[in-house]
Amino acid sequence: AQSVTQLGSHVSVSEGALVLLRCNYSSSVPPYLFWYVQYPNQGLQLLLKYTTGATLVKGINGFEAEFKKSETSFHLTKPSAHMSDAAEYFCAVSEPLTGGSYIPTFGRGTSLIVHP
Amino acid sequence: DGGITQSPKYLFRKEGQNVTLSCEQNLNHDAMYWYRQDPGQGLRLIYYSQIVNDFQKGDIAEGYSVSREKKESFPLTVTSAQKNPTAFYLCASSIFLTNPGLAGASYTYEQYFGPGTRLTVT
Repeated sequence: AQSVTQLGSHVSVSEGALVLLRCNYSSSVPPYLFWYVQYPNQGLQLLLKYTTGATLVKGINGFEAEFKKSETSFHLTKPSAHMSDAAEYFCAVSEPLTGGSYIPTFGRGTSLIVHP
Repeated sequence: DGGITQSPKYLFRKEGQNVTLSCEQNLNHDAMYWYRQDPGQGLRLIYYSQIVNDFQKGDIAEGYSVSREKKESFPLTVTSAQKNPTAFYLCASSIFLTNPGLAGASYTYEQYFGPGTRLTVT
């Protein structure tokens, strides 16, 4: 069965500082991994995804994530935080093409707070 | 523009009343989903549907019902049996292939979300 753990329900950074949001997953088969962003009172929007191939994935708004199989991690990073990055971020895992569930399992989310 | 619409944005109901939340998509996606979101709990799957006239229970289906009479529409009814209905409800859709390998392409089933409906029951 697949599962996702997001370390830290809140992460606070200063504008211009590095953003690091942590995600660890559990999957019995090679997973597909996603990061979504949610602004207040809105739906989720896909930031980036990992399926196969290159383990460093670039997404929208300057975010990127690296799939590390040995660490079962898929941490999200951005070199320099902007005030507009303040939002809730969700990591998700699915197993769509390998006999597992194609329906993603979501982590509990990490709220990113950006200070001026 | 293709996308998912949910209406209304805010909904208020008295306890004991059933209420139906609308979800419509024009992305030509086969699969649709309903999630409930509470603070600090992430997204919890209520129901999902892979094809018209078929749907399956998710992790927290008790007190909810759905229908899928059209590919574009997947309304959710919150019944009076749902003990804590006040929440933010999100609808999503994705492609779905029963034999993705035969299609010769890689499908990730990434989900597209609507803007959500905030339901308050008093």
